[in-house]
Amino acid sequence: NAGVTQTPKFRILKIGQSMTLQCTQDMNHNYMYWYRQDPGMGLKLIYYSVGAGITDKGEVPNGYNVSRSTTEDFPLRLELAAPSQTSVYFCASSIPGGTEAFFGQGTRLTVV
Amino acid sequence: GESVGLHLPTLSVQEGDNSIINCAYSNSASDYFIWYKQESGKGPQFIIDIRSNMDKRQGQRVTVLLNKTVKHLSLQIAATQPGDSAVYFCAAYYGGSQGNLIFGKGTKLSVKP
Repeated sequence: NAGVTQTPKFRILKIGQSMTLQCTQDMNHNYMYWYRQDPGMGLKLIYYSVGAGITDKGEVPNGYNVSRSTTEDFPLRLELAAPSQTSVYFCASSIPGGTEAFFGQGTRLTVV
Repeated sequence: GESVGLHLPTLSVQEGDNSIINCAYSNSASDYFIWYKQESGKGPQFIIDIRSNMDKRQGQRVTVLLNKTVKHLSLQIAATQPGDSAVYFCAAYYGGSQGNLIFGKGTKLSVKP
């Protein structure tokens, strides 16, 4: 069982560059989430999706974009990377109305 | 807005003792409260949840207590083991058609042998 898979695990970006963080899940979950975790802090919700073709903003969406063309995939796009986006990014999925979210291993992103 | 916080950033306990991790919340509109465990270098892992109309729920070695009067919940871990060392997050789930999960800051639990 792969669960939730995120790629890459680590990435260093220069200011102004863009990149896509990939997330895929094989549990057929409708709900998917993107969080960022800053050092010593909890997880902040960036975007979430309740199904293919449906996305919505979370607490901290500025500087990010998402798409959900399939149930399995929920990529997160960073345009014009800034140092403030240095963080660990987690993707998660759950069944509709489920409190048990399954998380990926995270992507550690550094913007220099 | 929603806010889920924790009283203490760190907690150190002796192996075999019971651990109590506390959490306060501000928004009473959540449907569930959940505890997650995050080990170093890994994503959070679900431990236990409690529906907002309940006061107590027990799992394997864990108990969650919810006090809606003071907007407080706690996670009790019985007979704490070295494998329990991790950061523990409380989270609030807001359901409906836009279900989302709001996390608190986390408490780091260290278990001394």
